[in-house]
Amino acid sequence: DSGVTQTPKHLITATGQRVTLRCSPRSGDLSVYWYQQSLDQGLQFLIQYYNGEERAKGNILERFSAQQFPDLHSELNLSSLELGDSALYFCASSVRSQGKGRNEQFFGPGTRLTVL
Amino acid sequence: AQTVTQSQPEMSVQEAETVTLSCTYDTSESNYYLFWYKQPPSRQMILVIRQEAYKQQNATENRFSVNFQKAAKSFSLKISDSQLGDTAMYFCAFMNGSNFGNEKLTFGTGTRLTIIP
Repeated sequence: DSGVTQTPKHLITATGQRVTLRCSPRSGDLSVYWYQQSLDQGLQFLIQYYNGEERAKGNILERFSAQQFPDLHSELNLSSLELGDSALYFCASSVRSQGKGRNEQFFGPGTRLTVL
Repeated sequence: AQTVTQSQPEMSVQEAETVTLSCTYDTSESNYYLFWYKQPPSRQMILVIRQEAYKQQNATENRFSVNFQKAAKSFSLKISDSQLGDTAMYFCAFMNGSNFGNEKLTFGTGTRLTIIP
């Protein structure tokens, strides 16, 4: 158990719908990262938040958005869903702060999204 | 942009044997970190080992060790005395260490390792 929690574990929805994935980082970790794992794209970085602020963006679609709340949990919102959005979405957290400290990222169990 | 290449899509080895997984990367950065992650059938991503580019000494974690060749940009993982529980997908990953706030992991395509009883 990495200490990172993600809900829900599984999500099945239809094209055009909107869903929210939730992540709680390890206690004390200020950085949260979102990754997408799909068969055709592999593991790809989506976005990073540090202490409530967006820090880095990767290959995140405009239909996707995220935020990190004052209690440090994060949510990834996916809208206007398409079949190709079906994937495993991981959240990871790190204790790294202000560019210093251990930078290992610990992953949650993931949310499997199926778009029908 | 950094790239990570894992040229072995699949490997298999007998239990108790030693196996080496290959990884090469391309970067112009001098300060970076390299990782191996394991993804068993449960799909959980588990950190196996970490290497700082500025350290010449190869990292080891129990039965897992790396061969880090900075000039060749090579970062292989050696698993000694392989066990059935080592059966998993293994991902090599790169992290730029120079920029605060740009600490994304760039992953290779993975190597599926099967340990044969």
